[in-house]
Amino acid sequence: EIVLTQSPGTLSLSPGERATLSCRASQTLTTTYLAWYQQKPGQAPRLLIYSASSRATGIPDRFSGSGSGTDFTLTISRLEPEDFAVYYCQQYGSSRLTFGGGTKVEIK
Amino acid sequence: EVQLVESGGAMVQPGGSLRLSCAASGFSFTSYAMSWVRQAPGKGLEWVSAISGSGRSTDYAASVKGRFTISRDNSKSTLYLQMNSLRAEDTAVYYCAKDLFDWYFLFDYWGQGTLVSVSS
Repeated sequence: EIVLTQSPGTLSLSPGERATLSCRASQTLTTTYLAWYQQKPGQAPRLLIYSASSRATGIPDRFSGSGSGTDFTLTISRLEPEDFAVYYCQQYGSSRLTFGGGTKVEIK
Repeated sequence: EVQLVESGGAMVQPGGSLRLSCAASGFSFTSYAMSWVRQAPGKGLEWVSAISGSGRSTDYAASVKGRFTISRDNSKSTLYLQMNSLRAEDTAVYYCAKDLFDWYFLFDYWGQGTLVSVSS
């Protein structure tokens, strides 16, 4: 099983600041099938990024993804009030998919 | 507009059974695999089960294999999860999720979730 480790566990930032979230895989993702989701309290997850760097439909361009191999990053260029949430990475492509443990982005 | 609406969540005793449903609309249901993903209270996301668009292929997480059965009725655009031999550790919000493609396990739409609570 591929274990995804997200860091930091919590990120305390102010609106307007840049957020950088990390997702590290225990094995190389040869196909870069890495996605990012946002989840707000009481809501379902929302797909933000897939294939490591492709934005899903309707996702603002302040969200960007990068990385390959074992190290992946989600960057939010300038935090808006609605961006404070928990973010999960996921590796997909087969039923051996796994999710990371999440990073909470909170208001400082 | 894509909509996924789950139902059937409830409180049930250990060893009991429950059937969840997910009514889908706004897309060609038969063209996409569907999954159930759960989230225990205060915890992260765990994939549970998937079924292909045709219904011919299914797969399960090890934690539920042999106890849960996924199915779909394409004539009704509805996804199901039959849950038997429920355990306390099955307590979670269960989401149905649409695959972006067929059998990619990449989820572009999610329902609002239904809560299953297993307790005596």
